[in-house]
Amino acid sequence: KAGVTQTPRYLIKTRGQQVTLSCSPISGHRSVSWYQQTPGQGLQFLFEYFSETQRNKGNFPGRFSGRQFSNSRSEMNVSTLELGDSALYLCASSLAYRGTLGYGYTFGSGTRLTVV
Amino acid sequence: ELKVEQNPLFLSMQEGKNYTIYCNYSTTSDRLYWYRQDPGKSLESLFVLLSNGAVKQEGRLMASLDTKARLSTLHITAAVHDLSATYFCAVATNFGNEKLTFGTGTRLTIIP
Repeated sequence: KAGVTQTPRYLIKTRGQQVTLSCSPISGHRSVSWYQQTPGQGLQFLFEYFSETQRNKGNFPGRFSGRQFSNSRSEMNVSTLELGDSALYLCASSLAYRGTLGYGYTFGSGTRLTVV
Repeated sequence: ELKVEQNPLFLSMQEGKNYTIYCNYSTTSDRLYWYRQDPGKSLESLFVLLSNGAVKQEGRLMASLDTKARLSTLHITAAVHDLSATYFCAVATNFGNEKLTFGTGTRLTIIP
């Protein structure tokens, strides 16, 4: 059974550029969440999508956006990159609404973004 | 705003010893998760705790949840080097809310 797939694994971008990260959830999972991990701020919630609708959003500027497609694959976009956006971006997928029934959330391997 | 506190932040322990990591959270929660992260890797799910008094065990790790005290513990028994990693607890609040709020993590180093 394939896990959560994130692409690309590594990315180097220049300040001011934009970037798009992709996440393919486990087959059958309809909820996809995104998290940013940095040494200083730890793991922070970005947003969550379910059935192509954004249901929750964290405290990040509007430069961070996302979407979900009908096949549950999700993308997140960061525009006008800043040095502080350098981080590991993790995607998590969940089987059911509210991550319920004890299945929890399965995380992908992440995309490490470096902004120079 | 939900706050999740983990302690200790760093823990060095000898093989064979027992220790406990604590996770306190500030508001009512219906779900608590424990994850492990190896350096440069993603998060590996360890336990999902859904109710007061829940206790789950896997190998040398045991997690428990006390929703009244808003406290979860991750107990390590007879530690072995392979358990060296960073451990995170994460809390979800309210039905319908998928947001996980993570603790700061506990970096565990097992010394032979």
